[in-house]
Amino acid sequence: DAGVIQSPRHEVTEMGQEVTLRCKPISGHDYLFWYRQTMMRGLELLIYFNNNVPIDDSGMPEDRFSAKMPNASFSTLKIQPSEPRDSAVYFCASSLEGANEQFFGPGTRLTVL
Amino acid sequence: AQKVTQAQTEISVVEKEDVTLDCVYETRDTTYYLFWYKQPPSGELVFLIRRNSFDEQNEISGRYSWNFQKSTSSFNFTITASQVVDSAVYFCALSEAEDYKLSFGAGTTVTVRA
Repeated sequence: DAGVIQSPRHEVTEMGQEVTLRCKPISGHDYLFWYRQTMMRGLELLIYFNNNVPIDDSGMPEDRFSAKMPNASFSTLKIQPSEPRDSAVYFCASSLEGANEQFFGPGTRLTVL
Repeated sequence: AQKVTQAQTEISVVEKEDVTLDCVYETRDTTYYLFWYKQPPSGELVFLIRRNSFDEQNEISGRYSWNFQKSTSSFNFTITASQVVDSAVYFCALSEAEDYKLSFGAGTTVTVRA
């Protein structure tokens, strides 16, 4: 079975540019999570969805960040405009139910110059 | 407020030594879930174990074992007879009833030397 798929794996962009990260969860999983990992803040949740509906977006840093889940098999995290402090590894994870273990994708390493 | 504390930043051992990673958590919920994840140098996050708050039974999986003690709010992880492939960052995490996001500890870097 395919795990969580993320693309791109690496993204280098310049400050001010729009960045879109993509995620395909494990088929049949009802929950999808976006996390960010930085040296300073560690692993932190940005937003999560249940059945394509955003449940908790309290971790989204500011209006520059937005996330969508148009269907059960696809989600995007968009940063517009990007800033150097957005540089991090962004992970997508999915779980069958909310309390179950979350399975993580390989992550997208974002560098904003 | 810090919900998960991993006080050990780094641990270095020689192969075949045992290593125990400490995890202390904080929650007001009576229903909650505890997890351990491994992040090897390649960067992915690998699920190791999930425990719910009503199951205090310790668990062993191969060389890995976990000790869950509600009385001390701890969920410690032991690697027995460590191997070089165990070198990684290990994260303890907590989720609470009706709030399924994972709150991660800062992680413990384990280095196993040959």
